[in-house]
Amino acid sequence: AQSVTQPDIHITVSEGASLELRCNYSYGATPYLFWYVQSPGQGLQLLLKYFSGDTLVQGIKGFEAEFKRSQSSFNLRKPSVHWSDAAEYFCAVGADSGTYKYIFGTGTRLKVLA
Amino acid sequence: DAEITQSPRHKITETGRQVTLACHQTWNHNNMFWYRQDLGHGLRLIHYSYGVQDTNKGEVSDGYSVSRSNTEDLPLTLESAASSQTSVYFCASSESGTTQETQYFGPGTRLLVL
Repeated sequence: AQSVTQPDIHITVSEGASLELRCNYSYGATPYLFWYVQSPGQGLQLLLKYFSGDTLVQGIKGFEAEFKRSQSSFNLRKPSVHWSDAAEYFCAVGADSGTYKYIFGTGTRLKVLA
Repeated sequence: DAEITQSPRHKITETGRQVTLACHQTWNHNNMFWYRQDLGHGLRLIHYSYGVQDTNKGEVSDGYSVSRSNTEDLPLTLESAASSQTSVYFCASSESGTTQETQYFGPGTRLLVL
């Protein structure tokens, strides 16, 4: 069965520092992978997605993610964090093709220090 | 602009009462989903629908029901609310296609069952 693991529940970084949020998935075929961000009291907003092709994916707000099949990972990165990036981040994998369902990780809460 | 809305945004109810949470989307999407979000669990799928008159159970469907009488709406009903159903509920929608389509999320409904 498909699964998604986000090993870091909380991460704290200083403003201006680089960021990497980890995501590992379990899926037999080529996965469809997503990163969403949830600001406090808000719904989820799509940051980026990977379906196929170039393994380095660019998203909104300066985020990027790299798909590494050998490591079953899809880590999210940002070179310089802004205070407004403080939020919860969710990684998701598309379930069986044609079902349109997602399986979400448990999320990583990012705190940004001024 | 197309959007997905949820109402109410906040709800307090008592154990045993029936509660209905509304979800309305103007994307004209065939697929609609209901999730609950709980600390440590991320988002878990309750029910989903691929079109009018179609409904399916997700991983945590016990105590919940949905109906799809038109494309725009997928109301979620708690038949007899329980304290374990205190949670934040998110509705999402996506297009039907040949790949995993992006899901667009509503702002959420925070439900407290006393």
